[in-house]
Amino acid sequence: QVQLKETGPGLVQPTQTLSITCTVSGFSLTSYYMQWVRQTPGKGLEWMGFIRSGGSTEYNSEFKSRLSISRDTSKNQVFLKMNSLKTEDTGVYYCARAQGMDAWGQGASVTVSS
Amino acid sequence: DIQMTQSPSFLSASVGDRVTINCKASQNINRYLNWYQQKLGEAPKLLIYNANSLQTGIPSRFSGSGSGTDFTLTISSLQPEDVATYFCLQHNSWPRTFGGGTKLELK
Repeated sequence: QVQLKETGPGLVQPTQTLSITCTVSGFSLTSYYMQWVRQTPGKGLEWMGFIRSGGSTEYNSEFKSRLSISRDTSKNQVFLKMNSLKTEDTGVYYCARAQGMDAWGQGASVTVSS
Repeated sequence: DIQMTQSPSFLSASVGDRVTINCKASQNINRYLNWYQQKLGEAPKLLIYNANSLQTGIPSRFSGSGSGTDFTLTISSLQPEDVATYFCLQHNSWPRTFGGGTKLELK
């Protein structure tokens, strides 16, 4: 059974760094792209970036300067790190499998506030 | 970037009604269009992939049509459990882009 689950800090202060982990089961990270998508009140759903099955990454230019995606295949985990957070980054962050996003996690809710 | 315009943004319908939701792409995306259902607090669920293919396990009252720039999700007979937000995704090119969502409620 394919499962994805995001875990994150909940609350982050402005200017700080956001770290979210996506833990997957039921498939191998070496066989699928893994993507990050966020949903914010201001912009709705936004694609953030992906890590290919081979480990290389691509980012949305909107986030490129402050976003990093990585993984640990031995732990079946994908990581999102985004620095210089602003209040507009408040939202729900999702990981999704494959280029066509056929499975998603429940999302990690993030509030950026002091 | 490809813009996805979804309509309507809100829809109220009765049990048994036929419901249609539309997505229009700003340029040709062939059939690379997916439809998702999102209930509060749950993971988005893939309903239709590549415009008209029903994902495994999804009831047959859901169907999709279209190609190029215009796409439609149809629920043939609305059920109470279909109350949710629906959104489309184009996966023809990067960056992936989404429709703005349709919130479906029972009348």
